[in-house]
Order: sequence, then C-alpha cells, then structure tokens
Amino acid sequence: QKEVEQDPGPLSVPEGAIVSLNCTYSNSAFQYFMWYRQYSRKGPELLMYTYSSGNKEDGRFTAQVDKSSKYISLFIRDSQPSDSATYLCAMSGDNYGQNFVFGPGTRLSVLP
Amino acid sequence: GAVVSQHPSRVICKSGTSVKIECRSLDFQATTMFWYRQFPKKSLMLMATSNEGSKATYEQGVEKDKFLINHASLTLSTLTVTSAHPEDSSFYICSARSLGQGKETQYFGPGTRLLVL
Repeated sequence: QKEVEQDPGPLSVPEGAIVSLNCTYSNSAFQYFMWYRQYSRKGPELLMYTYSSGNKEDGRFTAQVDKSSKYISLFIRDSQPSDSATYLCAMSGDNYGQNFVFGPGTRLSVLP
Repeated sequence: GAVVSQHPSRVICKSGTSVKIECRSLDFQATTMFWYRQFPKKSLMLMATSNEGSKATYEQGVEKDKFLINHASLTLSTLTVTSAHPEDSSFYICSARSLGQGKETQYFGPGTRLLVL
C-alpha cells in the first residue's frame, strides 16, 4: 500500500461546479496536511495548510482532515477555468518537514 | 508504485562548504527531474529542470554556479550547493517525471533539510 493515495484523474467539471479532491494515507504519524496547486511548468503553490483534524476555509477553498479515517479533502466552490491545474496533497509528521510525503496529484480541468 | 528517494534527508554543514543532495527514481526511469526549494509554510519554488544527458534549465534568479545540477543517468540527479551560506538553509525537494500508459505523473522525493551554520 502506498503511503499516500490520490486519484490521478483527469477530472473534468463544468464552470461553477463544486470540486471535491481527496487523499487517503496510511501513516498515523502525519500531523500536518497541505494542499498544493501546480500549473504546468511551475512549482507547486501552497493553497492550504492544516494541523490535525478539522476544517479550514479560505475563500472558495475548504480543506477537511479526518485523522480517524486517514482521509483529507479539498473542496473548491464555484470552480473557474483558472482552477484548471494539478492538485497535490502532502503531509508531514512535524512542522520541520520530517517524513514529508506528496500524493501523485489529481489533474483538474474546469470547462467554460 | 513509483518511488523517489533523496539522500541525505538532513544535513548540517559549516558555512563555505559544499553539500551534495542526491535524487533517485527507484523503480522507473526519469528523463526529467525537478529541483524545488521550500521555506516553511510556503509554496515550492522551482529552481531548475534537470534533463538526463544535458544541461539543466534554471529558473530566473537561481544562480547556476551556486546550485550545480547533474543528471548523469536516467535514475539519478544531484544538486550541489556550493560554498553554502546560512541563507541557503532550506528544505530542498526533488521530483521525477514518469511517463507510463500515455500518462505523465510527477513523483516527489521526501525532501532534504539543509542547515548551514
């Protein structure tokens, strides 16, 4: 079993749709959970950074962490064509990057 | 599944010394590898694209002579931080691009934490 699993997609949705992106993981030591957005030929841009379980909202983005199920989600409301990118989940055991693991990424296309 | 390793995972060095970081694709061949730098709670900054058998392509603002990249084989790329200074302290992450079944996927290494004293 891979340490972090993420559906690679591609995922295509119409503009305005609510997008749900998910990752599952196996290592219960992960405490910090991140979502990155990566455009082609660019470095991953940090979107959300959460610690332990719970929800965090920032504009159109909501991150959810359920440590009991080892499951994290990123929701994008009112999706826009500019949201088309690859979304990577990542997690770490501490705040200093120890045991830092990325998911393979989900490619999202938002169609106008 | 595809795995990318980095060595060392952590390194502490004195100012002025050089440090080499290795990035290996363990079960696939990667013609292209990428090197990133990350500051705490920040996005990953793409430093350079490393192509097997040719010179690396550096992003604007990244010093080529400071950060030497070598991609000698399809499974190994190295980043050497030359004459390291405290401001070079950071988290360096590599990724390798895999092409399989017509799909391109990027796999990230676990990162190397560099601390320059």
